[in-house]
Amino acid sequence: SQQGEEDPQALSIQEGENATMNCSYKTSINNLQWYRQNSGRGLVHLILIRSNEREKHSGRLRVTLDTSKKSSSLLITASRAADTASYFCATDDAGGTSYGKLTFGQGTILTVHP
Amino acid sequence: EAQVTQNPRYLITVTGKKLTVTCSQNMNHEYMSWYRQDPGLGLRQIYYSMNVEVTDKGDVPEGYKVSRKEKRNFPLILESPSPNQTSLYFCASRNLGGQETQYFGPGTRLLVL
Repeated sequence: SQQGEEDPQALSIQEGENATMNCSYKTSINNLQWYRQNSGRGLVHLILIRSNEREKHSGRLRVTLDTSKKSSSLLITASRAADTASYFCATDDAGGTSYGKLTFGQGTILTVHP
Repeated sequence: EAQVTQNPRYLITVTGKKLTVTCSQNMNHEYMSWYRQDPGLGLRQIYYSMNVEVTDKGDVPEGYKVSRKEKRNFPLILESPSPNQTSLYFCASRNLGGQETQYFGPGTRLLVL
């Protein structure tokens, strides 16, 4: 079953604007990760936030994690046309029998118009 | 360069013709897995392996086999492919323990006629 659910499914913005994507999950996690995928290509790891962290930054990326609400958000500031891609959250689930497994959401398709 | 490689990148085959997609990583990772990606369904795990000779089913294992005879290699085998296995396949690897990211291969696009 899908752990992470992402919102919105698609997002269209102008270059220079900020883009915010949200992810909700259902079970306890060790960490939550965000990945980027350009059309039909491999996934590239963007950022990892641990369950005991609340916010993390990497360049133009800002990730927040609220474990009480079981949700995370990815903010891309000052977006560029090159940011156009699909973005996925993935949870590294705590406990259970699938140790080491990442469970992916269905992704948000981001389109940044020049 | 640290990487996960997959071959072939593109494959068109016919129903019932056995095929193997190879996966290799050069990072000495214990954990390797296969995913398939389908529109509207996201990435779903097919099989995973926690080390040599240790494999287990993921969420959608039906119709697939894997083996892990060497730490670096984790081939995906379709003994009798069917059209519903037409998909984009990704191999991935990571270290176990701690907070580890997962590295993905470039993907194999499979079409089963």
